[in-house]
Amino acid sequence: AQSVTQPDIHITVSEGASLELRCNYSYGATPYLFWYVQSPGQGLQLLLKYFSGDTLVQGIKGFEAEFKRSQSSFNLRKPSVHWSDAAEYFCAVGQPTGGFKTIFGAGTRLFVKA
Amino acid sequence: DAGVTQSPTHLIKTRGQHVTLRCSPISGHKSVSWYQQVLGQGPQFIFQYYEKEERGRGNFPDRFSARQFPNYSSELNVNALLLGDSALYLCASSPPTFGDGYTFGSGTRLTVV
Repeated sequence: AQSVTQPDIHITVSEGASLELRCNYSYGATPYLFWYVQSPGQGLQLLLKYFSGDTLVQGIKGFEAEFKRSQSSFNLRKPSVHWSDAAEYFCAVGQPTGGFKTIFGAGTRLFVKA
Repeated sequence: DAGVTQSPTHLIKTRGQHVTLRCSPISGHKSVSWYQQVLGQGPQFIFQYYEKEERGRGNFPDRFSARQFPNYSSELNVNALLLGDSALYLCASSPPTFGDGYTFGSGTRLTVV
């Protein structure tokens, strides 16, 4: 079955510290992979996406993600977190042949402390 | 350029009633997807429409239906509302290329009492 797992429900990091949010997926073939961010009461914003090519992809707001096929992972990273990064982050996977649906993980809530 | 617009932003309905949610995609986007996001969970796929045709459907009961109009706007209809239908309903538009990802609207917060 297709699924996305974000093992961490919430993470707290200090401002200026590095961040890594974990994402593991289960899919029949290499899917398209996405990370989205959601601020409270808002819709989701696409941070970055991957399907093929360089396994380290750069996104907006200084985020990057690394695809590791052997681990079925697509972890999101940021070298230095800002207070404005506090939000909920969702990993997502999909394929056009899978009914065109994109499956989202349960999300990781990021708290940033001063 | 306007983003994805959804209306209304909030509404309260009584169990058993019917609701219609509306979405206008980004200009040039022909695909609209609907997601349900229950508090504390990730979005769950309901439908995707492309060029007025249903292209994908999630695991939701037949009480949920949708359609897309010639101008690519879309409506999500839910009949016989249940308390469990209370959620944030998100509309997302996307270009024809699947891998480009979605642009989401801010959602409609539905409360069923």
